[in-house]
Amino acid sequence: RKEVEQDPGPFNVPEGATVAFNCTYSNSASQSFFWYRQDCRKEPKLLMSVYSSGNEDGRFTAQLNRASQYISLLIRDSKLSDSATYLCVVSTPGTASKLTFGTGTRLQVTL
Amino acid sequence: DGGITQSPKYLFRKEGQNVTLSCEQNLNHDAMYWYRQDPGQGLRLIYYSQIVNDFQKGDIAEGYSVSREKKESFPLTVTSAQKNPTAFYLCASRPRIVAGVADTQYFGPGTRLTVL
Repeated sequence: RKEVEQDPGPFNVPEGATVAFNCTYSNSASQSFFWYRQDCRKEPKLLMSVYSSGNEDGRFTAQLNRASQYISLLIRDSKLSDSATYLCVVSTPGTASKLTFGTGTRLQVTL
Repeated sequence: DGGITQSPKYLFRKEGQNVTLSCEQNLNHDAMYWYRQDPGQGLRLIYYSQIVNDFQKGDIAEGYSVSREKKESFPLTVTSAQKNPTAFYLCASRPRIVAGVADTQYFGPGTRLTVL
């Protein structure tokens, strides 16, 4: 089983739609969680950290469910500019330095 | 401007040659990392360094070497021993080391290496 699993997509949604991605992680000792965004042939950029209480940043909401070991990202009112690959990232237990990256979920927002 | 720079953006190399990828940061970050990304795969950790003059192997260190002589610089050498070096190489840095906390990593623009 992969340490971090994501549906690769693509998710094709019209502008204005709400879309949600889930990510599961295998190690219950993982402590820190992030969503990164990666545009085609570019570097990943931090979208948001994910906290136990959930957090929201504008149209983006992230949730963490430790009991079920999954993380979610909800995007409301999708824009064309949201088209990208979204990477789920989890800390590697036992070290403060290492992160494990999912393979990403591709989102394509269309007119 | 503060940030992480990687050079060159594109690199072509003949089979059997060593090549060094540059990574520089002026963010005063303690930790630096090297990853490779292949199509359809997540980022995989090659090497990382938490402090000057110290570094650790990541998950796929074979065929690679690094040095950390200065806080700002963490060059990666891809040696001829690396069996499949064609990939997108990403350097990242992290602001501080806090026990038990995996802080955010910030990435440079990457170097796309192609072995001919």
